[in-house]
Amino acid sequence: EDKVVQSPLSLVVHEGDTVTLNCSYEVTNFRSLLWYKQEKKAPTFLFMLTSSGIEKKSGRLSSILDKKELFSILNITATQTGDSAVYLCAVRLNTGNQFYFGTGTSLTVIP
Amino acid sequence: NAGVTQTPKFQVLKTGQSMTLQCAQDMNHNSMYWYRQDPGMGLRLIYYSASEGTTDKGEVPNGYNVSRLNKREFSLRLESAAPSQTSVYFCASSEVGGAYEQYFGPGTRLTVT
Repeated sequence: EDKVVQSPLSLVVHEGDTVTLNCSYEVTNFRSLLWYKQEKKAPTFLFMLTSSGIEKKSGRLSSILDKKELFSILNITATQTGDSAVYLCAVRLNTGNQFYFGTGTSLTVIP
Repeated sequence: NAGVTQTPKFQVLKTGQSMTLQCAQDMNHNSMYWYRQDPGMGLRLIYYSASEGTTDKGEVPNGYNVSRLNKREFSLRLESAAPSQTSVYFCASSEVGGAYEQYFGPGTRLTVT
């Protein structure tokens, strides 16, 4: 059975801290891994990763994929209160057109 | 571009009532999806349509039906609502192939009493 597991389930940090969110997967026919940010509304796209070892970066956020060990991490440096959200990881398969989502990591950044 | 739109935004139903959630996208995407999101459960796929004219069951299809009306529109119908269907429903669309992400609508918060 295909599954995507995220950890931790929730995290509370202070502004300025650096956080690392984890996503591991067990799927057949992996195609890509995606990260989304959800702030009490629709998820918004952050990154898509298809190749191992190549870091994607956008401002204070970065992500990398390890296809051998079947996981990805999302790093957020110098966190701000606006980073408070649920971060979702999803895996897309080569076959069909489905996306499998993890349960998400809830991040709270305290001023 | 409006992206992905959903109606209604909120709905309260009594057990046994029926309703249809509407979704439309203006990005000319081939694939469309319906998810439900419950606390602690993440996003679970109800049905998806890989292309116009096709629909397939996802992880939690029981109690739902879908119609891909045309390339733009994908509706979700609850024939006889149950309290277990209280959830937030998201519609999404994407292009076919692995190099594309999904775009989500704003969601419909449904309560069944």
